Amino acid sequence: AQSVTQPDIHITVSEGASLELRCNYSYGATPYLFWYVQSPGQGLQLLLKYFSGDTLVQGIKGFEAEFKRSQSSFNLRKPSVHWSDAAEYFCAVGAYSNAGNMLTFGGGTRLMVKP
Amino acid sequence: EPEVTQTPSHQVTQMGQEVILRCVPISNHLYFYWYRQILGQKVEFLVSFYNNEISEKSEIFDDQFSVERPDGSNFTLKIRSTKLEDSAMYFCASSTVGTGSNEQFFGPGTRLTVL
Repeated sequence: AQSVTQPDIHITVSEGASLELRCNYSYGATPYLFWYVQSPGQGLQLLLKYFSGDTLVQGIKGFEAEFKRSQSSFNLRKPSVHWSDAAEYFCAVGAYSNAGNMLTFGGGTRLMVKP
Repeated sequence: EPEVTQTPSHQVTQMGQEVILRCVPISNHLYFYWYRQILGQKVEFLVSFYNNEISEKSEIFDDQFSVERPDGSNFTLKIRSTKLEDSAMYFCASSTVGTGSNEQFFGPGTRLTVL
């Protein structure tokens, strides 16, 4: 069965600093990987996704993530954090099925941004 | 921009009562999902639905749960006899295709509180 681990429950960074959120996955085949963001009172918004090809993927809001098969990781990065990036971030892996793709989520990382 | 909507935003109920959570998926989507997030825990897959039948369900989705698409727009989750441990945020999602390569669009969630 697939699983996702986000080792950092909380991270605090200063505005303008760089950010890296860690994600490790366990999956038996080629994974479909996602990063979602959840702002308070909001649903889950997709930041970026990886299926194949270039291992560095670009997403919305200036985020990027790098797939490293050898490390079973899919870490999210941003070179300069903005105060509006404060939210909870979820890494997820997708399992293929005949119809309907379930996502398995990590526990989330809550990002706080200091002025 | 089309979005998934959910009603109500917050539902309070007594243990043993039936609740129905409602979702309106994006209009041209064919796959529908329910997830839940118990406070402080991971987002967990409950069920996926396609072509008027369940395509996949997790072990959480026992006989107390059912899903239905009663008309062309709504997608509902019914809990027949709520338990305290059903208290959670319930997210509805939809996608155009059921493979892992496609994004699931999430609604803002319904917070269910069972007293």
